[in-house]
Amino acid sequence: GQNIDQPTEMTATEGAIVQINCTYQTSGFNGLFWYQQHAGEAPTFLSYNVLDGLEEKGRFSSFLSRSKGYSYLLLKELQMKDSASYLCAVSPPGGTGFQKLVFGTGTRLLVSP
Amino acid sequence: GAVVSQHPSWVICKSGTSVKIECRSLDFQATTMFWYRQFPKQSLMLMATSNEGSKATYEQGVEKDKFLINHASLTLSTLTVTSAHPEDSSFYICSAMGGINEQFFGPGTRLTVL
Repeated sequence: GQNIDQPTEMTATEGAIVQINCTYQTSGFNGLFWYQQHAGEAPTFLSYNVLDGLEEKGRFSSFLSRSKGYSYLLLKELQMKDSASYLCAVSPPGGTGFQKLVFGTGTRLLVSP
Repeated sequence: GAVVSQHPSWVICKSGTSVKIECRSLDFQATTMFWYRQFPKQSLMLMATSNEGSKATYEQGVEKDKFLINHASLTLSTLTVTSAHPEDSSFYICSAMGGINEQFFGPGTRLTVL
């Protein structure tokens, strides 16, 4: 099975940098994904990691260490609109490509002025 | 980009009635769609995997006779909540596989059962 943990809530200041951690215990996985979800809306894709290392995409970066069962999402130059929930998700092994996703508990980020 | 729509966006119904939610991939074909449920302040929980032309695969603990899934075409999957009760009130979100490694999510349907 999969057990995916994230901090419940985080606060940060506009313009700052914040790191949201995700730890997981799985029997294996095809990839790790990060999604952003504003209240009452569907998740939107941010990034995914398959191999160890850092993936950078504008203000967002995601890091993966498979040996440590650890990932983080780094948000730079925070803006008020970044206040949202951030979901870590794992694609379990099996199937074709990255099929179903198992989501973590989610981290609610509040950005203040 | 790939777009997934859901209809209705919100629905209120009486206890004991059935509600159908549609999930459509608008500009691509999806042989596989997923249905998730999200309770307030909680993360998404996968309910079932919907495969075009075959029976859905349900996650452990999800009643297949209560949550009927039909994936009749490559662009449409439906979820019917039968004999809905207040505890079924939730945010239901579908997603569609747009490629090997990317899921596109619909905007969600908020169901309130009175």
